[in-house]
Amino acid sequence: EAGVTQFPSHSVIEKGQTVTLRCDPISGHDNLYWYRRVMGKEIKFLLHFVKESKQDESGMPNNRFLAERTGGTYSTLKVQPAELEDSGVYFCASSQDWDRTRQYFGPGTRLTVT
Amino acid sequence: GQQLNQSPQSMFIQEGEDVSMNCTSSSIFNTWLWYKQDPGEGPVLLIALYKAGELTSNGRLTAQFGITRKDSFLNISASIPSDVGIYFCAGPHGSSNTGKLIFGQGTTLQVKP
Repeated sequence: EAGVTQFPSHSVIEKGQTVTLRCDPISGHDNLYWYRRVMGKEIKFLLHFVKESKQDESGMPNNRFLAERTGGTYSTLKVQPAELEDSGVYFCASSQDWDRTRQYFGPGTRLTVT
Repeated sequence: GQQLNQSPQSMFIQEGEDVSMNCTSSSIFNTWLWYKQDPGEGPVLLIALYKAGELTSNGRLTAQFGITRKDSFLNISASIPSDVGIYFCAGPHGSSNTGKLIFGQGTTLQVKP
C-alpha cells in the first residue's frame, strides 16, 4: 500500500510569488490534514478535509492560504502571495474515519521564501 | 488553548544507554500519541495510548499515559544509532475523535556510536 506522497519535496520562491503544494493521501482515506512546522517549533495544524469538504480550517494563518481537495482525492495548498514567515515544512497526513487520531504523514514539502 | 510541553528539548547519549522523555499539559488529553521523525521524512506513529494509566510497548519503546491525563512518558531502552531523530508527543484537540492534533515542540535525540 502506497503511503502519503507530497510534491514538491523542496520549493524556494521569492516573496510575493505563488506556490502550490500537492498531497496524495493513502487510497481510501477520507480524512486529509495539512500541518506546518516552522523551524524549531511545534508541528501546527492548518486544516482538515473529510472527503472534499473542509471539516476544520481553524489553523489556516490568513487568506493568503487556499486549500482544495478536488473530488475528495488529492489536495493542494496554495500560498499567494508568499511572505517570508511562510517558510517551513508543510506536512500532509491522512487517516481512516474510524480513528482520526491515527494519522499517517507524508515526507513534507520544505518551503523557503526569500 | 491546549499546549504540550516536551522535555528535554534535546539529548545526546551514548549507544546502549536508556532514554526517557516526557510531555506535559495544563489540560486533559483523552489520547496520547508518540511520533518519531527521521531526517527528511514525515512523522511516523510509534505508540498510541487511549486510557489513563495505560502502559504500552513497541519493541524497545515503552510509553505511559499519565494517571492525571495531563502527561505522558516515552522510554527507549538500549539505544542504537537508528534511534536518532525528533520525537514528538501529540494529542487530539478537544474531543477524542477530532482530526486536529496538537503537537509538542519535539525532543531531538542524538546517539553516539
